[in-house]
Amino acid sequence: NAGVTQTPKFQVLKTGQSMTLQCAQDMNHEYMSWYRQDPGMGLRLIHYSVGAGITDQGEVPNGYNVSRSTTEDFPLRLLSAAPSQTSVYFCASSYSGSSSGANVLTFGAGSRLTVL
Amino acid sequence: GQNIDQPTEMTATEGAIVQINCTYQTSGFNGLFWYQQHAGEAPTFLSYNVLDGLEEKGRFSSFLSRSKGYSYLLLKELQMKDSASYLCAFMDSNYQLIWGAGTKLIIKP
Repeated sequence: NAGVTQTPKFQVLKTGQSMTLQCAQDMNHEYMSWYRQDPGMGLRLIHYSVGAGITDQGEVPNGYNVSRSTTEDFPLRLLSAAPSQTSVYFCASSYSGSSSGANVLTFGAGSRLTVL
Repeated sequence: GQNIDQPTEMTATEGAIVQINCTYQTSGFNGLFWYQQHAGEAPTFLSYNVLDGLEEKGRFSSFLSRSKGYSYLLLKELQMKDSASYLCAFMDSNYQLIWGAGTKLIIKP
């Protein structure tokens, strides 16, 4: 099993450009999420989905869009990149988003984004 | 409100024992997780506690006291490969994870 696959691993953008971070999982997980990780801060939830066709906002959703048309895929779109969005982004999935014992997250390898 | 706190950095010696503490405040609690993250890599799951007490898993153990809002991760027989950041996170009443900033553990020979 590939687990959670994220692409690209590295990306440099100019302010105002848009891009999509791809995330795919092959574990038939219901729950998928996007986090950003910044130095000195805990992981912060951007958006999440509890199943195909269902998405919701996390702690820091502004400037990002998501969609969940299939169980496997959960892309994150940056609409108009800003330097404040320079970060490492992680996609993570779990079997369920509503049962604490089943909520062990499997993370993708991460995408390091720099916005100039 | 909700918050979570853990030390920024700790140093320990190869072969020794180290305890990484985590304290949290929340009105709703659905368990506490520990993850390990090597530099430049993704976090990986270590342990989950939802009831008070100690959970042992090989060289790693995790403890939880819900009344004190306190957990610790105990690493025994430290190896150089244990050099990593250790992330503490609790699950709130909405099943959302609230993450600490992580404790960077440096192992010296």
